Amino acid sequence: KAGVTQTPRYLIKTRGQQVTLSCSPISGHRSVSWYQQTPGQGLQFLFEYFSETQRNKGNFPGRFSGRQFSNSRSEMNVSTLELGDSALYLCASSILPGRMNTEAFFGQGTRLTVV
Amino acid sequence: SQELEQSPQSLIVQEGKNLTINCTSSKTLYGLYWYKQKYGEGLIFLMMLQKGGEEKSHEKITAKLDEKKQQSSLHITASQPSHAGIYLCGAPKADSGYSTLTFGKGTMLLVSP
Repeated sequence: KAGVTQTPRYLIKTRGQQVTLSCSPISGHRSVSWYQQTPGQGLQFLFEYFSETQRNKGNFPGRFSGRQFSNSRSEMNVSTLELGDSALYLCASSILPGRMNTEAFFGQGTRLTVV
Repeated sequence: SQELEQSPQSLIVQEGKNLTINCTSSKTLYGLYWYKQKYGEGLIFLMMLQKGGEEKSHEKITAKLDEKKQQSSLHITASQPSHAGIYLCGAPKADSGYSTLTFGKGTMLLVSP
């Protein structure tokens, strides 16, 4: 059974550009969450999607957006990139939302570097 | 907001020794996840604890959840070089319907031969 797949693995962008990251959850998983990991802030929650609807959103500026498709694949977009957006972006999938009783599995992440 | 404090921040142990990592929450725990991460890579799911007093083991790793103390511990027996990495605890946030996780800063484990 394939795990969570994130593409691309590495990305270098220039300040002011925009970027789109993709996440394909484990087959049968319908809930997808995104996290940003930086050395200073650690892991911080970005968004959560279930059945193409955003259920939760973290405390990030409007430049960060996302969506989920009918096949549960998700994308996140960052516009007008800033140097501080350089981070490892991680996607997690679970069968259903509400993680009191569902396991959550992470992908390998996309390493974004903004220069 | 809920905060998770992990201790120690880093740890160097000799191969074959046992070790324990703790994760303490500032608020009530509604479950607790443990993950392992190699630097710059994704998180590997280790265990999920749902109820107070629950204890789970997988290979040489055992995790416990103490709801009263708002704490979880991860114990590794007879450590091996393959155990090296960053261990992260994550707790479901009640204000998100338990759908999102807040994480500790991690514990870096090095295992020396």
